[in-house]
Amino acid sequence: DVQLVESGGGLVQPGGSLRLSCAASGFTSSDFWMHWVRQVPGKGLVWVSRSKGDGSSATYADSVKGRFTISGDNAKNTLYLQMNSLRVEDTAVYYCTRGYNYGLDYWGQGTLVTVSS
Amino acid sequence: QSALTQPPSVSGSPGQSVTISCTGTSSDVGAYNRVSWYQQPPGTAPKLMIYEVSNRPSGVPDRFSGSKSGNTASLTISGLRAEDEADYYCSSFTSTSSPFYVFGTGTKVTVL
Repeated sequence: DVQLVESGGGLVQPGGSLRLSCAASGFTSSDFWMHWVRQVPGKGLVWVSRSKGDGSSATYADSVKGRFTISGDNAKNTLYLQMNSLRVEDTAVYYCTRGYNYGLDYWGQGTLVTVSS
Repeated sequence: QSALTQPPSVSGSPGQSVTISCTGTSSDVGAYNRVSWYQQPPGTAPKLMIYEVSNRPSGVPDRFSGSKSGNTASLTISGLRAEDEADYYCSSFTSTSSPFYVFGTGTKVTVL
C-alpha cells in the first residue's frame, strides 16, 4: 500500500530552522512529482513546493522561495523540506503529497510547524 | 495569485444533490482541464475525489462528479449521505511558475 509519513515538525522561534521529512512506501518516490502543501488550522490549503522525489526540478511558492529547499534521498525513499528563516506566518500543518495526473492522490497525515517566540 | 472562489457552505438532506462551484480565471481554471477536488473531514488529511475536471480515482463513488464551463468548475454530490459531510477544496494548475497549483477557499458541506 502507498503510504506517506511526515515528521520533523515542532515549535521554533522566528528566524529559526526546521527540516521536515516525508518517508514514502509502496512506491518509488523518484518516479513521481512530490508536493508539499500547508494548512493553517481552520483555514484553507496552500501549495508550497514540488519536485521529483529525488529533490530535482524543484519549484516553490513565492512566499517561501529562497527560504525553503527540497531535497531527496533515493536510498531511503524520503523527501525533505528544509525550512530556514521561519516566520510566524509559516505556522501550519505541512502535508507531503504525491502528484498524479495534475491531482494529488496520496497524502501524509501532516506535521504541525509552529513558529512563535 | 489569489485563491479560487468557492461558496463557504452548502447543505442538503440525505438523498439530495448539492453542487459546489469553483471560480478562477483564464490563467488557471479557464486555461486548462487540470482541476481537481479534495474532500477533507475534520482532523484528517485531504482525499482526492476528482482529477482533470471529471475523472474519479479508483474507489471514489460515482455519486461524485465534476464539470467545467469557462472559468468555473463544479463538483456535484448526488444521493447525499451523512459521510459526505466534510470540507471540500478545488484546485487548479496555473499558467504561472508560482504557484504551481492554486487551491479554492473551501466549502463546508453539511448533511441536514
